[in-house]
Amino acid sequence: KAGVTQTPRYLIKTRGQQVTLSCSPISGHRSVSWYQQTPGQGLQFLFEYFSETQRNKGNFPGRFSGRQFSNSRSEMNVSTLELGDSALYLCASSLRSGPVRYEQYFGPGTRLTVT
Amino acid sequence: GESVGLHLPTLSVQEGDNSIINCAYSNSASDYFIWYKQESGKGPQFIIDIRSNMDKRQGQRVTVLLNKTVKHLSLQIAATQPGDSAVYFCAENMGGNTGTASKLTFGTGTRLQVTL
Repeated sequence: KAGVTQTPRYLIKTRGQQVTLSCSPISGHRSVSWYQQTPGQGLQFLFEYFSETQRNKGNFPGRFSGRQFSNSRSEMNVSTLELGDSALYLCASSLRSGPVRYEQYFGPGTRLTVT
Repeated sequence: GESVGLHLPTLSVQEGDNSIINCAYSNSASDYFIWYKQESGKGPQFIIDIRSNMDKRQGQRVTVLLNKTVKHLSLQIAATQPGDSAVYFCAENMGGNTGTASKLTFGTGTRLQVTL
């Protein structure tokens, strides 16, 4: 079974631009979560989608948005990029959304550099 | 590969020895905990989990211990191997019993270096 895939793997953008990152979950997984990873802040939760609905959102500004399609693939968008948005963006998929025991599978991430 | 964290605490262990990685969590209401392993250039990989109604859980070569009194979690790796070299994160889930969305809060991570 193929794992979580993220595209692109590396991206360089200029401050003020916008960017769209893509995530394809494991086949059959309906929950997709996005995380931002930086050396200073570690892993921080951005948002979670389940059945095309945003179920939970972390403490990030409105410049960060996402969506999920009917095939469970998800995209996240960052508008008006700032230097501080440089990070590794990780997508994770799981069978379902919920607080009970589950396994969340991460993709390799997209490394975004804002200059 | 990616640098997960430039200033992470580092644990150096000799191959074959046991490793113990510690984590202090923040919320006494957290009901579920996970340990992840992240190798350079890869996303975090699930290792083992434990629910708050347990104090110990064993997997293959790994054991997680939970001490709710002091809000402390530890990961024990038996017979550490070079392939265990990675950054290890604990995560707590404060999803409660709502049955819908969940959210993980991650610890800062510990880098495990296995020496030969």
